[in-house]
Amino acid sequence: DAGITQSPRHKVTETGTPVTLRCHQTENHRYMYWYRQDPGHGLRLIHYSYGVKDTDKGEVSDGYSVSRSKTEDFLLTLESATSSQTSVYFCAISDWTGRDYGYTFGSGTRLTVV
Amino acid sequence: EDQVTQSPEALRLQEGESSSLNCSYTVSGLRGLFWYRQDPGKGPEFLFTLYSAGEEKEKERLKATLTKKESFLHITAPKPEDSATYLCAVSFTGNQFYFGTGTSLTVIP
Repeated sequence: DAGITQSPRHKVTETGTPVTLRCHQTENHRYMYWYRQDPGHGLRLIHYSYGVKDTDKGEVSDGYSVSRSKTEDFLLTLESATSSQTSVYFCAISDWTGRDYGYTFGSGTRLTVV
Repeated sequence: EDQVTQSPEALRLQEGESSSLNCSYTVSGLRGLFWYRQDPGKGPEFLFTLYSAGEEKEKERLKATLTKKESFLHITAPKPEDSATYLCAVSFTGNQFYFGTGTSLTVIP
């Protein structure tokens, strides 16, 4: 996915440990988002950012925190991972300047909490 | 309460057999309806945005239409490479999107 990368691509972690996922963009877009994707639920918004140090909660934000200290990086932290946070996490960016302001998604991070 | 419902959950078509996918929504004050394609192991790829009832957009074999309460993604003469999951999303705040659970399309040669 041009302009947006997520790391790591896969991670296995133990219950109770902190985990940080990284999203990096080279498009200089203002808006960045973290979603999780689970079978039967579709994509659900965790947190989003509308600028450096400007973030807000989505519909499933409990247990997650985010930080954005630079335009290009948006970090998602699971403070104390639980098995219910096993999921595929997607980062997305949007510039909202054009008529078609669809998201550009990263390739995802598959997180397994054991 | 689901904001966005997609149907069918899965669809198998023979190559060349045209069909339609449905996305219905319950939000009021729609700002935009979005269609995405997602291949296994990858992130969703943006296809279309529709803003108002009556609007239509086309891309290759795909055509998206919008009414006041639903959208259709018409696939004309599909090919095996059109096999993917198609996601619909709606926005009414501008900053938050609500996604459906998708329709998994398989096109058989």
